[in-house]
Amino acid sequence: AQSVTQLDSHVSVSEGTPVLLRCNYSSSYSPSLFWYVQHPNKGLQLLLKYTSAATLVKGINGFEAEFKKSETSFHLTKPSAHMSDAAEYFCVVSANAGNMLTFGGGTRLMVKP
Amino acid sequence: EAGVAQSPRYKIIEKRQSVAFWCNPISGHATLYWYQQILGQGPKLLIQFQNNGVVDDSQLPKDRFSAERLKGVDSTLKIQPAKLEDSAVYLCASKAGGETQYFGPGTRLLVL
Repeated sequence: AQSVTQLDSHVSVSEGTPVLLRCNYSSSYSPSLFWYVQHPNKGLQLLLKYTSAATLVKGINGFEAEFKKSETSFHLTKPSAHMSDAAEYFCVVSANAGNMLTFGGGTRLMVKP
Repeated sequence: EAGVAQSPRYKIIEKRQSVAFWCNPISGHATLYWYQQILGQGPKLLIQFQNNGVVDDSQLPKDRFSAERLKGVDSTLKIQPAKLEDSAVYLCASKAGGETQYFGPGTRLLVL
């Protein structure tokens, strides 16, 4: 069985300040982990993925995430928020042969000017 | 490369009516998924196809939902009859040989 917990349903930051979106996972197998972003009325877009290579993963638009097995975490960070980063972010785990994705509940990121 | 296409983008129906959604995956992608995303929640897998065969439909409410991918390319998802709790965004995704799933824009369904 696998599950994902996003620890914050809403995060609000000021433009130009760092972003931290927290994610913890549970998996019986060695997982692959993803972060997807969903802008209003748009499809889900892959930000980055971890698949057992380097534990620090760099994604698009300046985002990165660090896989910490001991903490079962995969937090998403960005050094400086931009207004265009305002969206819903989903942490996702895939840990079986069928690559079934299990989504977290989502974190809504708000960026204040 | 064209992305995953879905239609319609929006649909409003009354309960007990029927509705169908269509998905055309990225060319060459053998695996196709349908997800249901209820407002305020993450997407939940309904069904997974590999070519024209069903891999996993354990989360599909089979008394009212059906899906097919007859020629292993595009797919339709049908709800008959619809209930109020079926109001959601229905997302289609496709995948080639790797792990990354590519999502379409979704169909937003409102059941009144």
